[in-house]
Amino acid sequence: DAGITQSPRHKVTETGTPVTLRCHQTENHRYMYWYRQDPGHGLRLIHYSYGVKDTDKGEVSDGYSVSRSKTEDFLLTLESATSSQTSVYFCAISKDRVGYEQYFGPGTRLTVT
Amino acid sequence: GIQVEQSPPDLILQEGANSTLRCNFSDSVNNLQWFHQNPWGQLINLFYIPSGTKQNGRLSATTVATERYSLLYISSSQTTDSGVYFCAVDLDSNYQLIWGAGTKLIIKP
Repeated sequence: DAGITQSPRHKVTETGTPVTLRCHQTENHRYMYWYRQDPGHGLRLIHYSYGVKDTDKGEVSDGYSVSRSKTEDFLLTLESATSSQTSVYFCAISKDRVGYEQYFGPGTRLTVT
Repeated sequence: GIQVEQSPPDLILQEGANSTLRCNFSDSVNNLQWFHQNPWGQLINLFYIPSGTKQNGRLSATTVATERYSLLYISSSQTTDSGVYFCAVDLDSNYQLIWGAGTKLIIKP
């Protein structure tokens, strides 16, 4: 199994508070991704990174920001959490963009009350 | 944008049965992957298969890129095969994995 951890695994927070989720990898893969999973939607890409300090938006990036200061860490921040951001968040990694599989972390269940 | 459709949406089988899951996509793709999400939520990579056929134990997958579909075969089903099976594709021009809605598989003992 690819070495991917996410923290925290579960979090309950109040509307309007900032939240940061962390993804850590030990594989030295170039690409890292944040997805959210909601019932009836499968997974949707929030942001991805193709190197240190290199990030780009995905399909559902509004309300989220990311940072990658080290190869192994990719942070997802909700500046002011809303109830619509209640979801399960998955981090994924891949060695490169084309021709390589994505491997997923265990997920973080976030509830915004 | 590209559409990814999976069928059937739900499937209930007895242990030992065989099954075929289908993934149709509406455009040429760079990459196609099959994943299994187990009942505990973990996403497990099954196959990276933009074209051709691959086999791994009781599971095999075939992608016919020219006809824009992929099939996942599960033989001699076990209760541990239960969960949701997703296919995901990405395009040549814009790298984002686009996911189907999944097939929920329940294997009864």
